[in-house]
Amino acid sequence: QVQLVQSGAEVRKPGASVKVSCTASGNTFNNHGIHWVRQAPGQRLEWMGCISVDNGKTKYSQKFQGRVTINRDTSASRAYMDLSSLRSEDTAVYYCAISGRYFWVFGYWGQGTPVTVSS
Amino acid sequence: DIQMTQSPSSLSASVGDRVTITCQATQDISNYLNWYQQQPGKAPKLLIYDASNLETGVPSRFSGSGSGTDFSFTISSLQPEDIATYYCQQYDNLPPTFGGGTKVEIK
Repeated sequence: QVQLVQSGAEVRKPGASVKVSCTASGNTFNNHGIHWVRQAPGQRLEWMGCISVDNGKTKYSQKFQGRVTINRDTSASRAYMDLSSLRSEDTAVYYCAISGRYFWVFGYWGQGTPVTVSS
Repeated sequence: DIQMTQSPSSLSASVGDRVTITCQATQDISNYLNWYQQQPGKAPKLLIYDASNLETGVPSRFSGSGSGTDFSFTISSLQPEDIATYYCQQYDNLPPTFGGGTKVEIK
């Protein structure tokens, strides 16, 4: 069984950056993709981007292009999502999810990391 | 981006009832459609992939159908533990997009 454990809640001021980590257990980190999905209060789930763990290739939603960076540390079975130039609209719960049978099927999810952006 | 529209946005049903949720895409997505359950305060959980395939370990009372632009998700006999919000997600085109969710409550 795959488990994804994310880093804890964060509070940032507008204009700052935040980095959220996602650690996988269960010896399943390789040969998968790690996706980042966020959920703002009362809003639908929103895909931000992903990384192929094997080769490190990334894809980003055009909405976040230039503000989001996703990378991974295979030795630690960990992925990171860095979001810069934060604004109040970025207040949300950020989830990592690992691909299941197919790259774009989100098989297992982390517990979520609340990020609050407030002055 | 492909827009996904779910209906209803919420529903209330009795234990044992059959519950059906629909999801419509703004363009043909073949069968590249997944369904997730999000219980209150928890992360989403994959239930159905590729429109109609039940994820391993998911109870058989959950099912999905459809292709093209119109999809449905059914709980054949609603149980108290099914209280959650259900989301559809397409992955035919990037970016993958989600429906607005359907909140299911017990009457």
